[in-house]
Amino acid sequence: SQKIEQNSEALNIQEGKTATLTCNYTNYSPAYLQWYRQDPGRGPVFLLLIRENEKEKRKERLKVTFDTTLKQSLFHITASQPADSATYLCATIDGGFKTIFGAGTRLFVKA
Amino acid sequence: GAGVSQSPSNKVTEKGKDVELRCDPISGHTALYWYRQSLGQGLEFLIYFQGNSAPDKSGLPSDRFSAERTGGSVSTLTIQRTQQEDSAVYLCASSLISGGLAGRGAGELFFGEGSRLTVL
Repeated sequence: SQKIEQNSEALNIQEGKTATLTCNYTNYSPAYLQWYRQDPGRGPVFLLLIRENEKEKRKERLKVTFDTTLKQSLFHITASQPADSATYLCATIDGGFKTIFGAGTRLFVKA
Repeated sequence: GAGVSQSPSNKVTEKGKDVELRCDPISGHTALYWYRQSLGQGLEFLIYFQGNSAPDKSGLPSDRFSAERTGGSVSTLTIQRTQQEDSAVYLCASSLISGGLAGRGAGELFFGEGSRLTVL
């Protein structure tokens, strides 16, 4: 079955810098990968979806890439702000019908 | 409301008691998921409902856990004879389309705020 791996160590960056988070999948190339944001005590909120045949997807200050050779997706936040501090979760489908999540990476943006 | 609604938001129970957690998905969403999130951990898949198909129960950790979805809408997650290790936040999500790429937003999950369960 598919597994999603994310760096469990928190990422600390300075305001204005670009944050880059990594998501690796272990098995077959999934049809798509998703990224969610989760704030403490809240449910995750969908941010972006990137399909297998797309190399890059952008939305405002967010950019996601999908590299099927490396079995990896990178999630970038440019011009980061303290308000971007949260946990970011990578997700995909496993077996065609269920969505599975990585453990998430906590991002801290310092002013 | 327009979002996924879960109740109760907090539940404290004694070990050995049964608990029921409720999820009211977004109207019209055919897929409904339950996840468990322990403190500082990721989302652990529990069970998935899609339309009238048999649910995918592959993530339920033991036979003390069960879930049903009545009329393709509201779902209830039941935990019998609760144990301390059941303490976690239980998150429900719904989706319009699941597992496919039928169009824009395919596979996007909408989450509730969760039910925090504490077993003493």
